[in-house]
Amino acid sequence: DVKVTQSSRYLVKRTGEKVFLECVQDMDHENMFWYRQDPGLGLRLIYFSYDVKMKEKGDIPEGYSVSREKKERFSLILESASTNQTSMYLCASSLRAGGYNEQFFGPGTRLTVL
Amino acid sequence: QQPVQSPQAVILREGEDAVINCSSSKALYSVHWYRQKHGEAPVFLMILLKGGEQKGHEKISASFNEKKQQSSLYLTASQLSYSGTYFCGSNSGGSNYKLTFGKGTLLTVNP
Repeated sequence: DVKVTQSSRYLVKRTGEKVFLECVQDMDHENMFWYRQDPGLGLRLIYFSYDVKMKEKGDIPEGYSVSREKKERFSLILESASTNQTSMYLCASSLRAGGYNEQFFGPGTRLTVL
Repeated sequence: QQPVQSPQAVILREGEDAVINCSSSKALYSVHWYRQKHGEAPVFLMILLKGGEQKGHEKISASFNEKKQQSSLYLTASQLSYSGTYFCGSNSGGSNYKLTFGKGTLLTVNP
């Protein structure tokens, strides 16, 4: 079974802090994704990566950056956390291009920015 | 632009049927369906591809109307375990790796 793990289930940070969210997948998937999930808004794509060191902006990249130095690990970075970034963050991976291959999700990190 | 799901919420009694719809304003290459139970990660249900190919669970059925840019998920003889939020994700194909998800449909199945 594919396993996608995220470094923390719950995280509390202060405004202005730099925040790192880590995601690791164990099935050699090429593609990795970061979403945020807010009530009534569904899943919105922040960034995705289709190869090591390759990344593309999703629908809401403002205020975020990402890093993928190794194939199995995809990090989401909040350079200066703000209260409007309080949300559930979900990482996902898929074998190859998104159209045909299902995405496997991690358990999520609930981030609260005070 | 996010695909539009309808209804936003539905309540069923065990054994009843439901249909969840997903409409996109863009031409579609594929539609994905996922279910998320409260406090858990979304789980893959089905992919429907342009041209009629499908991939997913045997007990789940869905349709994909390419011309209308719509997909529907059919839940028959619902069980308590079907409760959760259902999301559709649309993909416009080509080199586009990403899915754009709808806002979700909350399904509650009561005994």
